[in-house]
Amino acid sequence: GAGVSQSPSNKVTEKGKDVELRCDPISGHTALYWYRQSLGQGLEFLIYFQGNSAPDKSGLPSDRFSAERTGGSVSTLTIQRTQQEDSAVYLCASRVADTQYFGPGTRLTVL
Amino acid sequence: GQQVMQIPQYQHVQEGEDFTTYCNSSTTLSNIQWYKQRPGGHPVFLIQLVKSGEVKKQKRLTFQFGEAKKNSSLHITATQTTDVGTYFCAGHYNFNKFYFGSGTKLNVKP
Repeated sequence: GAGVSQSPSNKVTEKGKDVELRCDPISGHTALYWYRQSLGQGLEFLIYFQGNSAPDKSGLPSDRFSAERTGGSVSTLTIQRTQQEDSAVYLCASRVADTQYFGPGTRLTVL
Repeated sequence: GQQVMQIPQYQHVQEGEDFTTYCNSSTTLSNIQWYKQRPGGHPVFLIQLVKSGEVKKQKRLTFQFGEAKKNSSLHITATQTTDVGTYFCAGHYNFNKFYFGSGTKLNVKP
C-alpha cells in the first residue's frame, strides 16, 4: 500500500479481555515503532523493531503488553487482561532514513 | 530519564498573528524532529534538525535548533486556519528512540 495501515481502526473491549492490534508498515521499511497517545497527550514510545535485531521493548508499560513482528513486515501489539488505563490511541510508524510515517492509529476503549 | 518538555500546551491566535512553540531537553540531543497532527489525524513529519544552530524554513514555518542542541522552536508567521492542529517535537538521543514533547495545540480564529 501507499502508507502505513492499522487495524482495527476502533476497538471497544471489556476490562480483562485480551486485544490484538495490527500494523502493516510501508513495504521495504525495516524500522517499525509502536506509540501510545492518550487523549490530549503526546506520544509515548512503546517498542521499536529494526530488521532482524532484538526489539527495544523498554517503553512497554507492563508485562501485559507484548509485540511481535513477523517476517520483518507486519507487526502485532497484544495487550493482555486490558485495564481502563489502557484506553488510548495506539499508533504505529515505519521509518526510512530519519522520517517516521505514521499509520492512522487504533483507538482502544476499555470499558 | 531523558525527556523533552514543550510549551505552551495551548495557543489561540487570530488569523494573521504569529505563533511559536518551544521544546527543551535537559541533555544534548542527537537531532530533533517536528510533526503536525491535524484534529482526528495522525502525526505527519515536517522536518528534522541535526546541526547546532541550524535554521530551516518551509514557507511560513521557521524551525530552529539551539547552539547547545538542547532546545528547538517552531515559528509560524501570519497563521492561517489551515495551520490548526497540534505540533509535536520529537527529540532523538540515540539511534532507536524518539521522545515526543506533549505538543502545542494551535487554534486559529478566522
